[in-house]
Amino acid sequence: GENVEQHPSTLSVQEGDSAVIKCTYSDSASNYFPWYKQELGKRPQLIIDIRSNVGEKKDQRIAVTLNKTAKHFSLHITETQPEDSAVYFCAAADSNYQLIWGAGTKLIIKP
Amino acid sequence: DGGITQSPKYLFRKEGQNVTLSCEQNLNHDAMYWYRQDPGQGLRLIYYSQIVNDFQKGDIAEGYSVSREKKESFPLTVTSAQKNPTAFYLCASTRTGPGPQHFGDGTRLSIL
Repeated sequence: GENVEQHPSTLSVQEGDSAVIKCTYSDSASNYFPWYKQELGKRPQLIIDIRSNVGEKKDQRIAVTLNKTAKHFSLHITETQPEDSAVYFCAAADSNYQLIWGAGTKLIIKP
Repeated sequence: DGGITQSPKYLFRKEGQNVTLSCEQNLNHDAMYWYRQDPGQGLRLIYYSQIVNDFQKGDIAEGYSVSREKKESFPLTVTSAQKNPTAFYLCASTRTGPGPQHFGDGTRLSIL
C-alpha cells in the first residue's frame, strides 16, 4: 500500500525567510496530494493541493511542486510570518481515495 | 463553519464506560472518517465509511465501533476495551473520488 514520508520533523526559520517541507510517496498510481496546516488544539485545514497532471501550483506565499518520476512533492512558504508557525501535514491519495498522511512537520518562525 | 459538527468538544470517560462521539455533516459528502491524534503526533485512521450502511476498519480500529445509518451522520463509540482512549478525535468527510478531506473541530477525550 501507499506510504508517505515527511521531512524534516521540525523546521526553524527566521521570519522573512523561506521554508521548504518535503514528502515522498511509494505508490506511483497516487494522483492527489494535499497539504494541511494545524495550529495547536485546532483542526487541520487545507492550505493547498495538487493533482498529478500538474507540476506546480501557487497561492500567494505558498506553493507546491510535484515530481512524479521521483515520487516526491514539496511545500514552499516564502516570506514567512509568525502566523505561519504550526504543524504541517502532507498526504497522498491511495487507490481507494483514502489519504495516507505524513507524520507532520513543526514549523517554528523565529522573530 | 466547515459544515462538519463534532460534539461534545470535551468528554470524560470513567473506567468500564462506553462513550459516543457525534459527527454530523451537511456537505452532502459520501465518505466520512474518524481519526485519532495523540499529543505531538500525526493522524491515525480509526474507521471510514464510503456509503451508508457500510464502513471499514482503519489502522487502529480495536476498541472502537461506528455506525453509518444516515449519510450525514457517523458516530464513533469508544468502548471499555480501548484501554488508552485519551486523545483528540477528529471527524472528516469528502466527496467520492480523490479530493480534500474537511475536518470538524474535534473532540478531546480524557479518562476520569
